[in-house]
Amino acid sequence: DMKVTQMPRYLIKRMGENVLLECGQDMSHETMYWYRQDPGLGLQLIYISYDVDSNSEGDIPKGYRVSRKKREHFSLILDSAKTNQTSVYFCASSPGCIADYTFGSGTRLLVI
Amino acid sequence: AQKVTQTQTSISVVEKTTVTMDCVYETRDSSYFLFWYKQTASGEIVFLIRQDSYKKENATVGHYSLNFQKPKSSIGLIITATQIEDSAVYFCAMRATGYQNFYFGKGTSLTVIP
Repeated sequence: DMKVTQMPRYLIKRMGENVLLECGQDMSHETMYWYRQDPGLGLQLIYISYDVDSNSEGDIPKGYRVSRKKREHFSLILDSAKTNQTSVYFCASSPGCIADYTFGSGTRLLVI
Repeated sequence: AQKVTQTQTSISVVEKTTVTMDCVYETRDSSYFLFWYKQTASGEIVFLIRQDSYKKENATVGHYSLNFQKPKSSIGLIITATQIEDSAVYFCAMRATGYQNFYFGKGTSLTVIP
């Protein structure tokens, strides 16, 4: 079953702690994405990864960094989390530039 | 610049009727792809249907169909014979040829009433 898997599903962190969100896909898709979703703002693109070690900033990269050392795995890192980074984070993957996305189930992050 | 706008924030319909959700987009690209996604109450986002800009025929998948009006930069989603389980948030998205990322609308919340 082809899918994108996100871990963890729910996470509570204190302000200033480091946060690691992980995403995996079993479809050998080249391109992967991290989005955050907030009420009224829709889905906002944080980072794109075109392949291993080939990452590009999206629309709201500030406060985030990413790592992709294997094609099937893409991580989102929050160094010193802030309360305004409380959100639902979605990972997605795509096989090419005209195909649709496959989304993960999301990680709900609460920073207190 | 690319932009996708969904002006309807929420819609309620009676079960078994037809609903249309609006979406307009902006792009300078001559070739692009339009998508509709559904986000369920559990948060899952699933792909529904797609329209390629060079195709004149409206796409249809199951009880989902599209009303593609290229001169108006409009791509409406039509759901016929709605069911309770169609209640969800629906997102319109656009991807221009050569671009890796999508531009999403802010979504329309659909409630199907028994």
